[in-house]
Parts: sequence; C-alpha cells; structure tokens
Amino acid sequence: DQQVKQNSPSLSVQEGRISILNCDYTNSMFDYFLWYKKYPAEGPTFLISISSIKDKNEDGRFTVFLNKSAKHLSLHIVPSQPGDSAVYFCAASARGAGSYQLTFGKGTKLSVIP
Amino acid sequence: KAGVTQTPRYLIKTRGQQVTLSCSPISGHRSVSWYQQTPGQGLQFLFEYFSETQRNKGNFPGRFSGRQFSNSRSEMNVSTLELGDSALYLCASSLSGLAAGELFFGEGSRLTVL
Repeated sequence: DQQVKQNSPSLSVQEGRISILNCDYTNSMFDYFLWYKKYPAEGPTFLISISSIKDKNEDGRFTVFLNKSAKHLSLHIVPSQPGDSAVYFCAASARGAGSYQLTFGKGTKLSVIP
Repeated sequence: KAGVTQTPRYLIKTRGQQVTLSCSPISGHRSVSWYQQTPGQGLQFLFEYFSETQRNKGNFPGRFSGRQFSNSRSEMNVSTLELGDSALYLCASSLSGLAAGELFFGEGSRLTVL
C-alpha cells in the first residue's frame, strides 16, 4: 500500500513557465512533508519542507502548498529553468508520532525545455 | 564541510553472497538512515540509527542488517543476496533525526546482483 503517491511519472515544461508537481498521501499521521531533487548519479538533495501547521512555504522560486483536508501537496517552481530538470521526490513523516523515517513517493521526472 | 560519504560506489555480487556497505555521515551528525532505491519501488526506508542504537526499521527481511559505531559511521549488511536486491542504497545523515530537519544524502552505493 503506497502511502505517498506521485501520479505523474514525468512532466515537461517550457523554460520560464511554472512547473507544478503534485503529491497525495493517505496516512493521517503524516505531519511533516519534504521535497527532494535528484540528479542522475547523485543522492537526493533537500529542496523545501512544510509542517502540517502551515498551508504554504516559500523559498525563492520554490513554493510548497499543503491541503490537509485533501491530503494533497504540490510544489510550484516559478520560473522554471533548464537546471531544474531532475527527478523530484515527495516525502512525508509522522514526526509528531516520533517517527524517524521518511516515506517517499516514486518521483516525477521534470524536464524543462529551453 | 564534507558531505555524506558512501563506499563502495559500485559493486557486483552473485546470488548467495553477502555485502557490506559503509556510510560516513557529515561531521557532527549523529543520525544515519539507510534507503533502498529501485525503479519499481522508489526510495524505501531500511533503518535509522542514532548513537549506535537502531530507532526505526522498515519492512525488509532479516537479511538486511546494520550497525552504527561510536564515531557515527554506519554499515549495512545484506546476506544471502537475491537478484531483487540489485538497487541503489542511499545513506542519509542528520543532526539528531528527522525532528531536527532534513536529511542529507550521500551519492549511494549501486549494487548489482548477478
């Protein structure tokens, strides 16, 4: 049973436009959400996170939105740049329950076309 | 500041053999987690160690084991290798676990089982 789902395996966006990556979760205990970016032959790197007490967190070109009632979060990248082309993983944790593990989605491969 | 270092980066084993992978966390980080990445399953949590104690374990068979040393370096071992164990094994470190923030990943050890 997949608790974190990224239903779009891939996404193509023109340079300068907005990229929207989506993620759904099923576990109500999840209270901390993160996005990681992964280039080939490298480990994932942290991008942005959000706690369940917030519905939005912004860091430069990256904004994460959380809709707890829908158990849905999204990552917006504006404007998209060719260097953003990578696989993006959504991850969640039940931090309040003392969990020390991240549950990852299967990733969305973003291609930003110059 | 040096990042998370994993060795070896690549290795090939045959079915039935055993393998040991090593992870050196960022200096000062006391928590080390291990994840398995496969194309079909994405990133899956194996276990997490803090101060030489395993705090969390994922849903993997007992063939997968790990340990952490007093200097926070960690090793994971897989015994009686199966073809399905072929994967990228990622190690991540953090100051004290997920509650303290995001995880910092190494570049991974790619294991191929023939």
